[in-house]
This record gives sequence, structure tokens and C-alpha cells, in this order.
Amino acid sequence: DAMVIQNPRYQVTQFGKPVTLSCSQTLNHNVMYWYQQKSSQAPKLLFHYYDKDFNNEADTPDNFQSRRPNTSFCFLDIRSPGLGDAAMYLCATSTRRAGDNEQFFGPGTRLTVL
Amino acid sequence: AQSVSQHNHHVILSEAASLELGCNYSYGGTVNLFWYVQYPGQHLQLLLKYFSGDPLVKGIKGFEAEFIKSKFSFNLRKPSVQWSDTAEYFCAVRRTTGGFKTIFGAGTRLFVKA
Repeated sequence: DAMVIQNPRYQVTQFGKPVTLSCSQTLNHNVMYWYQQKSSQAPKLLFHYYDKDFNNEADTPDNFQSRRPNTSFCFLDIRSPGLGDAAMYLCATSTRRAGDNEQFFGPGTRLTVL
Repeated sequence: AQSVSQHNHHVILSEAASLELGCNYSYGGTVNLFWYVQYPGQHLQLLLKYFSGDPLVKGIKGFEAEFIKSKFSFNLRKPSVQWSDTAEYFCAVRRTTGGFKTIFGAGTRLFVKA
């Protein structure tokens, strides 16, 4: 089945130790998104790619970076995680077609910072 | 700034009760509207969407939503809930111009008592 896969599902890191979260998709969608979701809050968009075109949200901290080496894969790098970065990180994809651009979400990676 | 408000953070209903979850957004231009659902232990998935045409849209599992442009609202309804509808529901809004950014509401946790 076509889907969005995130690895790992759970990640524990130490304060300040870089961590990378990965996302892959078999939907062949042009657009990939990374969201941060904290408990009882809305998913917050960090950035998205339209093909190779990177779009950073204005309030995304510099600590968060992303890479998209090809259509299928996208990575979220947190250079120096702080306690406040503990959250669920959601990857999503969509087409860019008008009328058909709902997002398909992965299961998320829950990040714990010790 | 664009925002999405969901009026109820927690809703508790008995089976067979009717459901209405409120959603209002602040953007004045043309929008696409979505309701996503997250069942316990599962990833976010699309419940229904509005792009254009009939403002009353029907989704999966007997859900429907009505877009009222004059009220900037997109309320979700179901005439008779089931225990299996226990989940968290997110309203989301995407502008049709200016990129792919989708704004999510904070979510409503629905618990249906058997």
C-alpha cells in the first residue's frame, strides 16, 4: 500500500546531541512537510518542500534543518535539541493539484530529550 | 495572522447522540477546508474536505461538514455517534494562493461512552 513511513517511531536523545528523523513516501507526491506537535496542541508546520524547493516557516528555529535528497525521502535534523524540542514530529505529503491536495500523514516520531 | 479555532477541546457523548464540532477560521480569501481524525494509536487521516461547489460535504463513516462562508465556519457533524468514533478531530484550513501552508486547529478530543 502507498504510504508515508517515519523512522524511528520513538527517539530518545540527550540535551544538545544532534538527532535526525527520517520520512519516506511511496505516493510520489511533490510536496513533503514536517510538523511539530506538542501535547494538546495543533500540529505546527516547521517547513515544507515543493520538489526540491525548500520553504521555511518564519518562526522555525535555526536549530531545525531539513534535507530532501530525492522525491521519496525527507529528513529532519535537530542540531542541538533542547528540552523544549520534545514533541511528536509528523511528516506529511501532498500533491500540488488544486482540489486534490489533502495531506497524507505518517505515524510520527516521538522525540524525548533527556 | 491566519488562525483556526476549535471551540471544544474535550467532548463526551453517549452512543447514538448527535455530534457537532465547531471550527472557525480567520482568513478572508478563498480557502480549502479539511477535517482530519486521529484514532487512538493511529496516524492523522483525512475525514473530509471542501474545495468548491456544494458547501455541504460528506466524508467517511457518516460524517459531514458544512461550509458557511459568511460565518467563516466549517462545522463537523454526525447524527449518531458510535463508540468507535472516539478520537481526536482536527480542523484545518489552507489558502488557495501563496503556497501549501495548512493551518490546524488545536483539536477536539471526543470520547464516546458505550
